[in-house]
Amino acid sequence: KQEVTQIPAALSVPEGENLVLNCSFTDSAIYNLQWFRQDPGKGLTSLLLIQSSQREQTSGRLNASLDKSSGRSTLYIAASQPGDSATYLCAVRAYSGAGSYQLTFGKGTKLSVIP
Amino acid sequence: EPEVTQTPSHQVTQMGQEVILRCVPISNHLYFYWYRQILGQKVEFLVSFYNNEISEKSEIFDDQFSVERPDGSNFTLKIRSTKLEDSAMYFCASSEALGSGGWGYNEQFFGPGTRLTVL
Repeated sequence: KQEVTQIPAALSVPEGENLVLNCSFTDSAIYNLQWFRQDPGKGLTSLLLIQSSQREQTSGRLNASLDKSSGRSTLYIAASQPGDSATYLCAVRAYSGAGSYQLTFGKGTKLSVIP
Repeated sequence: EPEVTQTPSHQVTQMGQEVILRCVPISNHLYFYWYRQILGQKVEFLVSFYNNEISEKSEIFDDQFSVERPDGSNFTLKIRSTKLEDSAMYFCASSEALGSGGWGYNEQFFGPGTRLTVL
């Protein structure tokens, strides 16, 4: 069964700092990996999607990398801003049997960017 | 920008009552999903739906749950007899069908969620 782990569970950084969030998954046979942002009491905003054949994706100040063989992904946030404060979720899409391609989530990293 | 919408934003119900959570997926999307998040826990997959039938479901999605696409725009999740442990945030998501590789490759877009409180 696919397990997704995110480290650290919480992170507090001063504004302007570059930071890295980590995601690991137990089964490397994934189709894609998606990073989301979740604000308190709100829905999930998709940030980046990396297909299994890709190594990285970039969007603005965000860069996500994927090392499928080692079961790891990182989300790099450059020049952090207070508005980046949120919980960041990692989710992998993998085959889980009987025609099933479930999206499995990590518990998230809660980021606080201090002005 | 197109977005997934959900109603109501908050639903309070008594244990044993039926609830229907509603979602309007992005209009050109063909694959629809429900997830739930119990407070402080991970987001969990419930069910996916394509071509008017369930594609896959998790062990959470038992006989108390059902999904339906009653018309061309709405996608609903029904819980027949709610339990205390059904209290959670329920998220609807949708993705479009794109070329080769099938829907396993497609980005999912989530709605803002419905907070269900069972008393």
